[in-house]
Amino acid sequence: LAKTTQPISMDSYEGQEVNITCSHNNIATNDYITWYQQFPSQGPRFIIQGYKTKVTNEVASLFIPADRKSSTLSLPRVSLSDTAVYYCLVGDRGSARQLTFGSGTQLTVLP
Amino acid sequence: ETGVTQTPRHLVMGMTNKKSLKCEQHLGHNAMYWYKQSAKKPLELMFVYSLEERVENNSVPSRFSPECPNSSHLFLHLHTLQPEDSALYLCASSQGQVSTEAFFGQGTRLTVV
Repeated sequence: LAKTTQPISMDSYEGQEVNITCSHNNIATNDYITWYQQFPSQGPRFIIQGYKTKVTNEVASLFIPADRKSSTLSLPRVSLSDTAVYYCLVGDRGSARQLTFGSGTQLTVLP
Repeated sequence: ETGVTQTPRHLVMGMTNKKSLKCEQHLGHNAMYWYKQSAKKPLELMFVYSLEERVENNSVPSRFSPECPNSSHLFLHLHTLQPEDSALYLCASSQGQVSTEAFFGQGTRLTVV
């Protein structure tokens, strides 16, 4: 299972774009990269998933360089309600073990 | 509403009690998970059931006993717990063999006294 490294915390201001980077140097060929968001006392919520290049949905964008050893979650124009912990997961989608969470990044959005 | 329902939402139990946590999913998924999240800590994967067979057990103490009678229901039976077992217990489900995302319940906040 690929190990992931993320910053422990980040601060931002409302309306700014936030980029959270995750390192996964030993990512395997079959591994996908998935990001989840978690608010206090709630279960995590899926944000986005990708394999390579760029993926975009209504919530975020995910940038993955060609070597796939890192990925960046981009949140456009954050608001106070985006304050949460963001987790980067790397794993084989066909394996139940893919849902192993690391320490995550605490994002705090300031007014 | 994620399609994954956990009951109860809150539970206080003594160290000699026996209780069970219940999780139900209405998403047609074939994999279900139990996680433990202690205060200010990341989620710890406890058990995974895929197609009703337990495929992962991350050295969880035997005082936690999972049961998966069918693909829609998952239980966590608790007995003789310790105060350090107090935590948020989360259930999740996914389409295990071609999983794109997991859906989590709201969790059960367990306090052992």
